[in-house]
Amino acid sequence: NAGVTQTPKFQVLKTGQSMTLQCAQDMNHEYMSWYRQDPGMGLRLIHYSVGAGITDQGEVPNGYNVSRSTTEDFPLRLLSAAPSQTSVYFCASSYSSGAAYEQYFGPGTRLTVT
Amino acid sequence: RKEVEQDPGPFNVPEGATVAFNCTYSNSASQSFFWYRQDCRKEPKLLMSVYSSGNEDGRFTAQLNRASQYISLLIRDSKLSDSATYLCVVRYLMGDTGRRALTFGSGTRLQVQP
Repeated sequence: NAGVTQTPKFQVLKTGQSMTLQCAQDMNHEYMSWYRQDPGMGLRLIHYSVGAGITDQGEVPNGYNVSRSTTEDFPLRLLSAAPSQTSVYFCASSYSSGAAYEQYFGPGTRLTVT
Repeated sequence: RKEVEQDPGPFNVPEGATVAFNCTYSNSASQSFFWYRQDCRKEPKLLMSVYSSGNEDGRFTAQLNRASQYISLLIRDSKLSDSATYLCVVRYLMGDTGRRALTFGSGTRLQVQP
């Protein structure tokens, strides 16, 4: 199993550009989520999905869209990049959102917005 | 006030030392508790879950004190390979949705020195 994969690993955008961060998992996990990690802030939940066709907002959803058309894929779209979106983005998946399940993280995408 | 608070460190300890980290959480409805480990520029990985009765995994011991709302991690006989950032993670119920999400502390950095 490849686990959770993310592309690209690094990206530089100009303010106002849009892009999609890709995330895929091959573990047949129901639950997938996107986090951003900023220095001193901990990981913060952007959006999550409890299954194909079902998504919901997390703690910091503004400026981001998601969709979940298949169990495997959960792309994150930046609509109009801003310098405040410079961060490391992690995608994660788990069997379910229930209490006992471990979250598996992808390797991250380092995004810089200039 | 952050929902999950950790001392950022760094904790600089010699090999073989015992070191302890604490973490406090503010949401009394929090349900599950975890320690994740994150190596520099890598993704977080589950180190261990924290159970009410306390639990041990080799050199690592985790404790939960619900009354005082804190979690601890004890590492005995520290190894150079233990150098990493340790994230305290709390799972909570999201309002009326019935869904659960994770809140991450910003991490405590450990540097084990030869």
